Amino acid sequence: QQQVKQSPQSLIVQKGGISIINCAYENTAFDYFPWYQQFPGKGPALLIAIRPDVSEKKEGRFTISFNKSAKQFSLHIMDSQPGDSATYFCAASGFGNEKLTFGTGTRLTIIP
Amino acid sequence: DAGVIQSPRHEVTEMGQEVTLRCKPISGHNSLFWYRQTMMRGLELLIYFNNNVPIDDSGMPEDRFSAKMPNASFSTLKIQPSEPRDSAVYFCASTIGTGEQYFGPGTRLTVT
Repeated sequence: QQQVKQSPQSLIVQKGGISIINCAYENTAFDYFPWYQQFPGKGPALLIAIRPDVSEKKEGRFTISFNKSAKQFSLHIMDSQPGDSATYFCAASGFGNEKLTFGTGTRLTIIP
Repeated sequence: DAGVIQSPRHEVTEMGQEVTLRCKPISGHNSLFWYRQTMMRGLELLIYFNNNVPIDDSGMPEDRFSAKMPNASFSTLKIQPSEPRDSAVYFCASTIGTGEQYFGPGTRLTVT
């Protein structure tokens, strides 16, 4: 019930392409869905987040698409750049709950 | 703002020794989280505090692990006795309310 399933585990995308990472959840009480980005040797950092009152949120090249009925959300990285190479984690939390449930992570590599 | 501060950044110790990891959250943040990250298990929440009170310690693996938060600006995670399987990167994160969690740089623990 508390799990967030993330796929793929790893992803290789050519520079300029679109990177897509998917997450699915079961707990209908979740109402906050952030994505974190982690570079080697660093802690995760918030990239972008969405609440279920909207189906999409865009910040620069990064977009979250949210499908409430399917209980799925995804991260799209447009015009992927080598500097985007990192591990990405989706997460979710319920209303009034500070505790985040993280996905298992996706290692993204952008090749020239 | 200095961000979340963790010390030490690296710790190498022998099996059976006591290990103490330290964290200073961002000033004004009222919640603090301890996570463990390994390749096999990903990012696991060990325990979190709200206003210095432990709220959820269900992720603490066993009695060898303990955490304290004596005041709003300091927390420790202690492992006694340490075992090789405790080798991981330990992150501390802080937040105010139910928003973004700010992660520290982590402590890489190696138990030989």
